[in-house]
Amino acid sequence: EAQVTQNPRYLITVTGKKLTVTCSQNMNHEYMSWYRQDPGLGLRQIYYSMNVEVTDKGDVPEGYKVSRKEKRNFPLILESPSPNQTSLYFCASSLEQGRGGYTFGSGTRLTVV
Amino acid sequence: AQSVTQLDSHVSVSEGTPVLLRCNYSSSYSPSLFWYVQHPNKGLQLLLKYTSAATLVKGINGFEAEFKKSETSFHLTKPSAHMSDAAEYFCVVSDRRAGNNRKLIWGLGTSLAVNP
Repeated sequence: EAQVTQNPRYLITVTGKKLTVTCSQNMNHEYMSWYRQDPGLGLRQIYYSMNVEVTDKGDVPEGYKVSRKEKRNFPLILESPSPNQTSLYFCASSLEQGRGGYTFGSGTRLTVV
Repeated sequence: AQSVTQLDSHVSVSEGTPVLLRCNYSSSYSPSLFWYVQHPNKGLQLLLKYTSAATLVKGINGFEAEFKKSETSFHLTKPSAHMSDAAEYFCVVSDRRAGNNRKLIWGLGTSLAVNP
């Protein structure tokens, strides 16, 4: 089944403790992206990747890192999480950015205390 | 600059009645447009997309949307609402500028309630 898999689904962590949210797609998509969803603010793009080893900042990249060493994986790294990063995170992939729509993962609800 | 405005933050309909979720966009170039649905505690699912082919686009679960360039609108409709349609709906625009980063711009969402 074609899908984007995110892990974990839920995570509670403490301020400053490094964490990684994994994202993997099995559709051989070139384009992958991370979003955060917050009430009243909609979805905002954090980082995106046009292909392997090609990543760039979205609208709200501060406090986040990403890497794209393989086509299928696009992990989101929070080196030193803070409470303002408490949010619902979505990973998405597409054959090519802006065309054909995205396939989204099920989301990761992160709480930083 | 591109933008998306979903004209209603909440819409409530009775089961079996028509659904209309309104979306206006602003784009300097010929856009691609999408509607996504998010059910409670679930991910985002593509309902339908417009990418310069037919202006009336049919999607999943009986939804359709019409691209009206003169009105810069892409309203989502369904003839008869079902209880399972209760969800959050997002209108999304992507500029198809060749060679540029085709960023997705998201509306803030419309919450659809379906009453028995």
